Amino acid sequence: TQLLEQSPQFLSIQEGENLTVYCNSSSVFSSLQWYRQEPGEGPVLLVTVVTGGEVKKLKRLTFQFGDARKDSSLHITAAQPGDTGLYLCAGVKTSYDKVIFGPGTSLSVIP
Amino acid sequence: DTGVSQNPRHKITKRGQNVTFRCDPISEHNRLYWYRQTLGQGPEFLTYFQNEAQLEKSRLLSDRFSAERPKGSFSTLEIQRTEQGDSAMYLCASSRRSGAPTVANTGELFFGEGSRLTVL
Repeated sequence: TQLLEQSPQFLSIQEGENLTVYCNSSSVFSSLQWYRQEPGEGPVLLVTVVTGGEVKKLKRLTFQFGDARKDSSLHITAAQPGDTGLYLCAGVKTSYDKVIFGPGTSLSVIP
Repeated sequence: DTGVSQNPRHKITKRGQNVTFRCDPISEHNRLYWYRQTLGQGPEFLTYFQNEAQLEKSRLLSDRFSAERPKGSFSTLEIQRTEQGDSAMYLCASSRRSGAPTVANTGELFFGEGSRLTVL
């Protein structure tokens, strides 16, 4: 049973379109992180959210942590081919707990 | 600081053989994680250490898998009597983690480039 679910699993869009990726759980997390992974490389951190309701922006990327700290979303505005990759959400349930990952959303942005 | 280093990058072995992977984390990081990843999927937790103490091992992991971090620095992951289902990318990550996550202490994981295992 996955503690973290992500949707959609795959997403293929045209350059310039907007998209949203979701990360959901029935469990409460003390923090959630979003990573991006390119083929042949390890995941790289994009953002960490720690407060329920928190919104963070990173250029064209907007991250939101749900009020109940059970879910998060990643919105990309005007997607570019360089945004192509596997987007992973990862959570920590308590301060001293391990980091677990969702199954990922594979994004392909077509020029 | 050269980042997280993993060796070997690629390993091809025959079923039934033993393999060992090594991870050298970022020097000041107290936590070290091992994950397994198959193509297009998220990393699956295997085990993690805080300094030299192994805090948890996944219940999905058979007794053929063992990991050590003897001096709280580098770590090894050994797979005994490999099976074809063990074929995957084995990722190591390290972090500096203490207390509750904050803006300044996000517990960010820094990953190595992985060790790809192919069992024939």
